[in-house]
Amino acid sequence: KQEVTQIPAALSVPEGENLVLNCSFTDSAIYNLQWFRQDPGKGLTSLLLIQSSQREQTSGRLNASLDKSSGRSTLYIAASQPGDSATYLCAVRPRGSTLGRLYFGRGTQLTVWP
Amino acid sequence: DTAVSQTPKYLVTQMGNDKSIKCEQNLGHDTMYWYKQDSKKFLKIMFSYNNKELIINETVPNRFSPKSPDKAHLNLHINSLELGDSAVYFCASNQIAGGPETQYFGPGTRLLVL
Repeated sequence: KQEVTQIPAALSVPEGENLVLNCSFTDSAIYNLQWFRQDPGKGLTSLLLIQSSQREQTSGRLNASLDKSSGRSTLYIAASQPGDSATYLCAVRPRGSTLGRLYFGRGTQLTVWP
Repeated sequence: DTAVSQTPKYLVTQMGNDKSIKCEQNLGHDTMYWYKQDSKKFLKIMFSYNNKELIINETVPNRFSPKSPDKAHLNLHINSLELGDSAVYFCASNQIAGGPETQYFGPGTRLLVL
């Protein structure tokens, strides 16, 4: 069974810092990996989706990388802003799994202070 | 326009009652999901429907019964509510056939069983 771990569980940084959030998964046979953002009291918003054949995806100040062989993904946030404060969740879709099934990590709670 | 909507947003009820949560998506997606997020923020899939057909049915009590009247709707009915059912329930949708598979989430329904 796929297990997804995110480290650290919480992170607090001053505005302007570049930061890295980590996600690891136990079974490297994945179809894709997604990074989501969850604001307090809200639903999840998809940030980036990386297919198993890709090594990275970029959107604005966000860059997500994927290393299937080591079972790791990182989400890089450049020049962090207070508006980036949220919980960031990583989810993988295992290869051969039922359509659309995702396994989620417990998230990294990010606080960016001015 | 809201992509994935859920009603109600908040639900407070007594133990033993029966309640329903409704979900609608206007994205034209072929697959819809129900997730449960517990008090520790862990997100776990409960059910998934693809073109109105049940494809994921996790080990949840049979007090929980999903119903999909059409591709755009997936409702969740819960019988004989228990204290442990208190959680946030999220509906999501995506396009599996020919799609990027990015999942779009609703705002959540916060259920409190007293």
